[in-house]
Amino acid sequence: QKEVEQNSGPLSVPEGAIASLNCTYSDRGSQSFFWYRQYSGKSPELIMFIYSNGDKEDGRFTAQLNKASQYVSLLIRDSQPSDSATYLCAHGGDYKLSFGAGTTVTVRA
Amino acid sequence: NAGVMQNPRHLVRRRGQEARLRCSPMKGHSHVYWYRQLPEEGLKFMVYLQKENIIDESGMPKERFSAEFPKEGPSILRIQQVVRGDSAAYFCASSPPLQGVYNEQFFGPGTRLTVL
Repeated sequence: QKEVEQNSGPLSVPEGAIASLNCTYSDRGSQSFFWYRQYSGKSPELIMFIYSNGDKEDGRFTAQLNKASQYVSLLIRDSQPSDSATYLCAHGGDYKLSFGAGTTVTVRA
Repeated sequence: NAGVMQNPRHLVRRRGQEARLRCSPMKGHSHVYWYRQLPEEGLKFMVYLQKENIIDESGMPKERFSAEFPKEGPSILRIQQVVRGDSAAYFCASSPPLQGVYNEQFFGPGTRLTVL
């Protein structure tokens, strides 16, 4: 079993729609969870972090964490073409980040 | 405030040669992490270093790979006798001293290694 599993892509959504990304993890001891965005050929950049159960909103992004189900998700509202990228889910203990393989999102204009 | 710097950005080596990848953390950051990203895969943790100390190298291949973070100068990831399977993007990240459960790591632009 992979440590971090993300829903397989690619995910294609029309402009203005909601993109929904899901991630499950196996380590019950994980404390913090991150969503990184990676444009093709570029480095990952942090867009959201969450460490408490429930929802966390930041602009058009909402992260949801359910530790009992070992599940974390990311919603992108009002998707824009500039949101087209690969989204990486990661969890961390003290320092080591474990990443999923990523979900590629394409927003159609 | 400059971000994490890595060089070279692209590196081409022939099988059997050595590859040296350099990483300068953000100003004020004392923790450095190296990750490898193979094509179509997520990032895999390799090693975590502080100045003059290797804290966790559990993700490093047992042979040919080494890392250091000297008192002065950048962190170095060294790959000896490269093979084609070493072709990947190598990312360095840095963070300030760890605080609670939140540990944001800032990534550099990466070094893309191609082994011919």
